[in-house]
Amino acid sequence: AQSVTQPDIHITVSEGASLELRCNYSYGATPYLFWYVQSPGQGLQLLLKYFSGDTLVQGIKGFEAEFKRSQSSFNLRKPSVHWSDAAEYFCAVVPYSGGGADGLTFGKGTHLIIQP
Amino acid sequence: ETGVTQSPTHLIKTRGQQVTLRCSSQSGHNTVSWYQQALGQGPQFIFQYYREEENGRGNFPPRFSGLQFPNYSSELNVNALELDDSALYLCASSLAGLNTEAFFGQGTRLTVV
Repeated sequence: AQSVTQPDIHITVSEGASLELRCNYSYGATPYLFWYVQSPGQGLQLLLKYFSGDTLVQGIKGFEAEFKRSQSSFNLRKPSVHWSDAAEYFCAVVPYSGGGADGLTFGKGTHLIIQP
Repeated sequence: ETGVTQSPTHLIKTRGQQVTLRCSSQSGHNTVSWYQQALGQGPQFIFQYYREEENGRGNFPPRFSGLQFPNYSSELNVNALELDDSALYLCASSLAGLNTEAFFGQGTRLTVV
């Protein structure tokens, strides 16, 4: 079974500083990869996704992520964070073989705190 | 804001009771998935419905069941509630297939006492 690890439970970043959130997955083949953001009391919003092709993908709100097959990683980055980026961030995978019916497997999330 | 709406937003139930949660899909979406998100955890996949049939299920017992209606709206039913069922329940709608985006509702916060 596939699994997703987000090693950092909490990350604190100063406003304007760069950000990198780590995600590692365990799966026999290349899965489809996603990053979602969840603000307090809200549902999940898709930031970006990787299916195939260029390993550097651009998303909404200035986020990007890089897929590295050799490291089984899909880290999320942003060059300059804003106070409104404070939220919970989830990395997720879905196995290719299931045709999408296996649902998303999420990591436990990284709580991002922005300090002034 | 997505077009996925869930009701109710909050509810409190007693252990042993049954509960029904509802989800209206985004227009045009034919697939609905349900997830359970315990406090401080990532969402866990419960099951998925496509064309009114369950076509995928996570590691949840049979007392978690669902329905999808012809208009693609959906219900999640949980029987014999346990304290550990307390969680945020999220509904997501999408088009069938892998290369599609799942749009999530804001969730129903269930508390079992």
